[in-house]
Amino acid sequence: EDQVTQSPEALRLQEGESSSLNCSYTVSGLRGLFWYRQDPGKGPEFLFTLYSAGEEKEKERLKATLTKKESFLHITAPKPEDSATYLCAVNNDMRFGAGTRLTVKP
Amino acid sequence: DTGVSQDPRHKITKRGQNVTFRCDPISEHNRLYWYRQTLGQGPEFLTYFQNEAQLEKSRLLSDRFSAERPKGSFSTLEIQRTEQGDSAMYLCASQRGQGASGNTIYFGEGSWLTVV
Repeated sequence: EDQVTQSPEALRLQEGESSSLNCSYTVSGLRGLFWYRQDPGKGPEFLFTLYSAGEEKEKERLKATLTKKESFLHITAPKPEDSATYLCAVNNDMRFGAGTRLTVKP
Repeated sequence: DTGVSQDPRHKITKRGQNVTFRCDPISEHNRLYWYRQTLGQGPEFLTYFQNEAQLEKSRLLSDRFSAERPKGSFSTLEIQRTEQGDSAMYLCASQRGQGASGNTIYFGEGSWLTVV
């Protein structure tokens, strides 16, 4: 059974303090690893899809990377508006991790 | 492309009543998913459709839950004899493509259910 584990559960950063979120996965045949951002009371908003180890994608202050066992979401010089829960999911049944709740203080 | 649309956005119901949620997927998306999400947790898979066929159901989907997608377009999720434990956000998502696919899944804004 596919499994996804995200860490840390919660992360508090000062504005401008770069960090990384982790998504560890166990799947039989990765078809895609997806990162989403979710604001309170709203549906998840798509950020990135990664398909193979070594792949990287960037969007503004976010960069997602993928290895054979985990994915990282790097946040460079975060701003308060980056505060949200970041979710990762794998494969066709979109099995989600519990998310990392990111708070960026000004 | 108007995105995935869900209705109603919020529903408060008394325990024992039936509720129905509707989802309109992105046009021409073959796959439609239903998820449930409680506070502090990631979305939990409930079921999905490939066109009008319901292909998989989670064990979370008790016999009080039923989902339909009669014409392969919009879908409904009905919960009968609601219980307080059913209080959650119900998310709908859609995806383009057939079979096993890594295509992006797009979510609606969710339907919040509160059972009192």
